[in-house]
Amino acid sequence: EDQVTQSPEALRLQEGESSSLNCSYTVSGLRGLFWYRQDPGKGPEFLFTLYSAGEEKEKERLKATLTKKESFLHITAPKPEDSATYLCAFAYSGAGSYQLTFGKGTKLSVIP
Amino acid sequence: EAGVTQSPTHLIKTRGQQATLRCSPISGHTSVYWYQQALGLGLQFLLWYDEGEERNRGNFPPRFSGRQFPNYSSELNVNALELEDSALYLCASTSHGIMNFGPGTRLLVL
Repeated sequence: EDQVTQSPEALRLQEGESSSLNCSYTVSGLRGLFWYRQDPGKGPEFLFTLYSAGEEKEKERLKATLTKKESFLHITAPKPEDSATYLCAFAYSGAGSYQLTFGKGTKLSVIP
Repeated sequence: EAGVTQSPTHLIKTRGQQATLRCSPISGHTSVYWYQQALGLGLQFLLWYDEGEERNRGNFPPRFSGRQFPNYSSELNVNALELEDSALYLCASTSHGIMNFGPGTRLLVL
């Protein structure tokens, strides 16, 4: 069964303390691996799409990487405003063109 | 470019009633996706509409239904509401491979 698992479920960091979030996936025919940020009570906000193993993308303090079975979201020197839930999702061939399957997310808290 | 819009922002219903949620995709987008985000369960795919047709549905009972109008806006209907239908309902449309989400409708079933 195609699925995605995110770990840890929750992560507390001191401001400036770098860390990584993990997204493990099992899917046949990966069409894209997506990272979103979601603030409480709001819709997810797109961060990155990765398409092939070895690909990396960066945006400010965030860097996403992809292997054949995992994706990592690295957060460098986080700030309190980085506190949010980070969602990982994949799109696969055989589903709707951009139908995404989501993990449950990692809730990140950055303490000043 | 205006984003995906949803209405209402909040909806309170009692068990057994019907709820109607509305979504307008980004201008020019023809596909609309609906997701349910219940507490502790993550985003669950509900329905996909494209060019006015239902293209796919997730593992939800038939009392979850919807439609897409000629202007590509969409409506999600939930009949015979149950307590566990309480959730954030998200609508999304796609552009260049990116799924853009609206702010959601928070449905509370009492």
